[in-house]
Amino acid sequence: QSVLTQPPSVSGAPGQRVTISCTGSSSNIGADSDVHWYQQLPGTAPKVLIYLNINRPSGVPDRFSASKSGTSASLAITGLQAEDEADYYCQSYDSSLSGWVFGGGTKLTVL
Amino acid sequence: EVQLLESGGGLVQPGGSLRLSCAASGFTFSGFAMSWVRQAPGKGLEWLSGLTGSGGDTYHADSVKGRFTISRDNSKNTLYLQMNSLRAEDTAVYYCAKAEGRTYSNYYFDYWGQGTLVTVSS
Repeated sequence: QSVLTQPPSVSGAPGQRVTISCTGSSSNIGADSDVHWYQQLPGTAPKVLIYLNINRPSGVPDRFSASKSGTSASLAITGLQAEDEADYYCQSYDSSLSGWVFGGGTKLTVL
Repeated sequence: EVQLLESGGGLVQPGGSLRLSCAASGFTFSGFAMSWVRQAPGKGLEWLSGLTGSGGDTYHADSVKGRFTISRDNSKNTLYLQMNSLRAEDTAVYYCAKAEGRTYSNYYFDYWGQGTLVTVSS
């Protein structure tokens, strides 16, 4: 069981908007640890999608955005495209565990 | 261009040992914390171990504490993971990752290697 909780799967049609939640606790997200998001395409290594809660690395389309509030964070993808079909993971730091933690991952299916 | 290249994976029997290496290039290796992250077949990402740029401070997840040891040789720009007392549940792809951030609470992993597969089986 992951310290950060994500829905196992989400889906949406091309052009639609989807959101992926990441729920933590008072020892990680709620302790003001930053949240980061990764995209993992099939058969490849993860790639950072959003860092420090809201920032996109260069090359990441502005269709991807994220937010953080309280003990949760959320990734939003607008204008869904077939190429967005991937696994998405949130990540933060947990002060109780003295280590970094990932969410269980969410598989995005573009219908 | 930042590159991370893992090696050392393979088939090992339960109870055996293996040492993974990660050769880094394209950045000032000693200036950045590094980590190992693994992914069991069909499963999610699991952070295992991390260490500071100097190697003076190391951190391990409870699942591997006492069995795995992370280290680095800054003169060789190489990160290591010594894995002992391996179990079937350690079977996974192991990634090394470069950490970015000012403090532990905001570290994230901005570059990843391609991964090396470790299979623990008799």
